[in-house]
This record gives sequence, C-alpha cells and structure tokens, in this order.
Amino acid sequence: EVQLVESGGGLVKPGGSLRLSCAASGFTFSSYSMNWVRQAPGKGLEWVSSISSSSSYIYYADSVKGRFTISRDNAKNSLYLQMNSLRAEDTAVYYCARDAQLVPAAPGWFDPWGQGTLVTVSS
Amino acid sequence: NFMLTQPHSVSESPGKTVTISCTGSSGSIASNYVQWYQQRPGSAPTTVIYEDNQRPSGVPDRFSGSIDSSSNSASLTISGLKTEDEADYYCQSYDSSNHDVVFGGGTKLTVL
Repeated sequence: EVQLVESGGGLVKPGGSLRLSCAASGFTFSSYSMNWVRQAPGKGLEWVSSISSSSSYIYYADSVKGRFTISRDNAKNSLYLQMNSLRAEDTAVYYCARDAQLVPAAPGWFDPWGQGTLVTVSS
Repeated sequence: NFMLTQPHSVSESPGKTVTISCTGSSGSIASNYVQWYQQRPGSAPTTVIYEDNQRPSGVPDRFSGSIDSSSNSASLTISGLKTEDEADYYCQSYDSSNHDVVFGGGTKLTVL
C-alpha cells in the first residue's frame, strides 16, 4: 500500500523556522517527483513546491520562494520542506503528495496525498 | 499568472445532477490536462477525474469530466447525487510558462 506520512508540524513564532518531513512507503520513491501542497484553515489548496525524482528540477510558488527549500533523500525514502522566515500567512496544513504518473502526461496531478501536518505561525 | 475560478458553492437534491465549472483566466485551458479532487472534512484530497475526463479505478461512473474550449472551462458533473458526495471539489491544472501547479478555489457541494 502506498503511504505518505508527514511530520514536523507545530507552533512557531513569526520569523522562525521549521522542517517538515514526509516518509514514503509502498512504492519506488526514487522514481517519482514529489510535492508539497498547503491548505490554510478554512481555505483552498495551494501548491507550494515540487521536486523531480533526482532533485534535478525544483519549483516553488512565488509566495514561498526564497524562504522555503524542498529536498529529498532517496536512500531514506523521505521528502523534506525547510521553512524559514515564517509568517502568519504560512499557517496551514501541509500535505506531501506524490506525482500520480512516473512520466507525467498530466503535470500537477498528485496522487496519493498524505494526511497532512499542521503548521501554526503565531506569537 | 494562470488562474482557475470555481463557484464558491453549489447545492442540489439527492438523485439529481450537478455540474461544477472551472474557468481558466487566460490562454487555453486545453493546453494542459485538468484534474478534479474531492476533499471531505478532515481528510486529504482524492482524485475523482484526471486528464480532463478519466476516472480512477474505484470512482463511480456517476462522476464525469469535460472541457469546453469555447468558454475556456472545465466541468465536473455528478449524476445520481448521494449524500456521501457532499464535499469540497477542486479543479487543478498547470501553467507551462512558469511550471506552477494551479488549483481552483474550490466548490463546496451540499446535497440536501
């Protein structure tokens, strides 16, 4: 069974840092691009960042560019999101999601998703 | 930047048919595939339609997707509505110009 389990969320003060992790199992992690998507409380989905299977290609939403860093460790089947200079508007549930396709005919199609980890930025 | 616009909410009775629209802001929505996700409260999103009109295994054929190039929009149609269909639905596509993944704002479906 394909499984994605996020961890690392919590309460952090504005300007602080946090590192999220996503542990993957049930598939060949090193073959798939991976992604982070967030959802602020009561709001919609917002794509945050994507990383290709070998980390050759990395993309960020403008809202996090320069503050967040996505990375992966294929030996550990793990995906990470380093979040610096956090702001109140970064408060959200952060989902780890796998590209649905090995060779995407549909870029941005994510499946499956983890259950998410809540990040709260507040003083 | 490319944006997708959905109605904030729709409601319909059990057994009826509902259609949720997703309109692209610029360019051609047909340039990249559109996906639709269902999200129930407290749960992660799951795919109900991919590549404009394909259903993943396990998704009932009451769910269908389509593209209308003339209106630059995609649509999700759910027929024979059931109370279990009550959820938030998000369309998603891709902006090739900047590699951004784009989600619509979401539509809350109420089945009453």
